[in-house]
Amino acid sequence: QSALTQPPSASGSPGQSVTISCTGTSSDVGTYNFVSWYQQHPGKAPKLMIYEVSKRPSGVPDRFSGSKSVNTASLTVSGLQAEDEADYYCTSHAGSNNWVVFGGGTKLTVL
Amino acid sequence: QVQLQESGPGLVKPSETLSLTCTVSGGSISGYYWSWIRQPPGKGLEWIAYTYYSGGTNYNRSLKSRVTISADTSNNQFSLRLSSVTAADTAVYFCARIITGGVAFDIWGQGTMVTVSS
Repeated sequence: QSALTQPPSASGSPGQSVTISCTGTSSDVGTYNFVSWYQQHPGKAPKLMIYEVSKRPSGVPDRFSGSKSVNTASLTVSGLQAEDEADYYCTSHAGSNNWVVFGGGTKLTVL
Repeated sequence: QVQLQESGPGLVKPSETLSLTCTVSGGSISGYYWSWIRQPPGKGLEWIAYTYYSGGTNYNRSLKSRVTISADTSNNQFSLRLSSVTAADTAVYFCARIITGGVAFDIWGQGTMVTVSS
């Protein structure tokens, strides 16, 4: 059982927007602005898409955005493209409990 | 650009020690924190440990009693040792760089599959 809760699946049609949630607690997501999101294609290493809740690394399209409200973080993918189909994982700093915890992952399907 | 490459045995016997090395190329390990993350087949990701290039470390509390992470600046590498392995330790093991000042992994190795089996 993962420390952060993500829906197992999400889907959308090309051009649409989809939002993936990541629910933690007041000990992690609710306290720290160190939420990150990773994209993982089958057989590949994860790729950092969002860090510190809403910052995008260089090279990540602005179609990807992040936000947080209380104990839940969200990743929104706008203008869905076929190449966005992948697994997405969230993480959060968890302080003294554990440096970082992961969500269980969400499989995003582009219909 | 900085690249990471994991290396080590792909098969380890139960109760033995798993040893992996991550070689950093295209940049120095100095000035950064470095980490190991694993992913059992068909499952999610799990953070294992991190080390600073000069030696400070932190471990996942569920693995702490069995894990050692260390950095070798002379060879631009860092390593992982996991003792008393069982089938539950079978996973793809990734090494990664931690983003400066943050809690995120900005550069990853391709991963190496380690199977625990007799």
